[in-house]
Amino acid sequence: EAGVAQSPRYKIIEKRQSVAFWCNPISGHATLYWYQQILGQGPKLLIQFQNNGVVDDSQLPKDRFSAERLKGVDSTLKIQPAKLEDSAVYLCASSARDRAYEQYFGPGTRLTVT
Amino acid sequence: AQSVTQLDSHVSVSEGTPVLLRCNYSSSYSPSLFWYVQHPNKGLQLLLKYTSAATLVKGINGFEAEFKKSETSFHLTKPSAHMSDAAEYFCVVSGVKTSYDKVIFGPGTSLSVIP
Repeated sequence: EAGVAQSPRYKIIEKRQSVAFWCNPISGHATLYWYQQILGQGPKLLIQFQNNGVVDDSQLPKDRFSAERLKGVDSTLKIQPAKLEDSAVYLCASSARDRAYEQYFGPGTRLTVT
Repeated sequence: AQSVTQLDSHVSVSEGTPVLLRCNYSSSYSPSLFWYVQHPNKGLQLLLKYTSAATLVKGINGFEAEFKKSETSFHLTKPSAHMSDAAEYFCVVSGVKTSYDKVIFGPGTSLSVIP
């Protein structure tokens, strides 16, 4: 079974530029999560999708971050414009509909904002 | 509201000695609790989970954890550390077993294993 795929693995941009990350969850997983993990901290949930609907985006900085999951499969997370404090690893995870605790994580995208 | 505290930011043990990584939680209802491991430059992997069944939970790679409601704890243990156990460990709390419950990660404990 293929795991959660993410791209790119690494990205370096200057502040005020925009960036997009892509995630393809495990086939059949209805729930998709985006996390931000700042160095030395635990992952923080940014947004959670159930199919193509948003379940929780309470910690998503909506003035600069956006995410979509148009067909209920893969997802894109965008930052525009980026700030220095956005430097982090962005993790995507997926789980089956009623097994939120059993999340499968992708390798993450390491973003550096200079 | 839910929260997770990992009491040690860093733990160092000698190879072959026991491992204890401490986790305390706060939850207004019966929680589900998990431990995840993150090896350097690798993705997060679920080690074990407690979801209101047996309070002593066995996971992969010889790890286990015991849910103690009276102490609001879910400490992770392993009888004998191996070099490959060196990694970051996260205690995680969630609500009931649906996809609509928030999953909250603790700050993590870095485990070092000395040869």
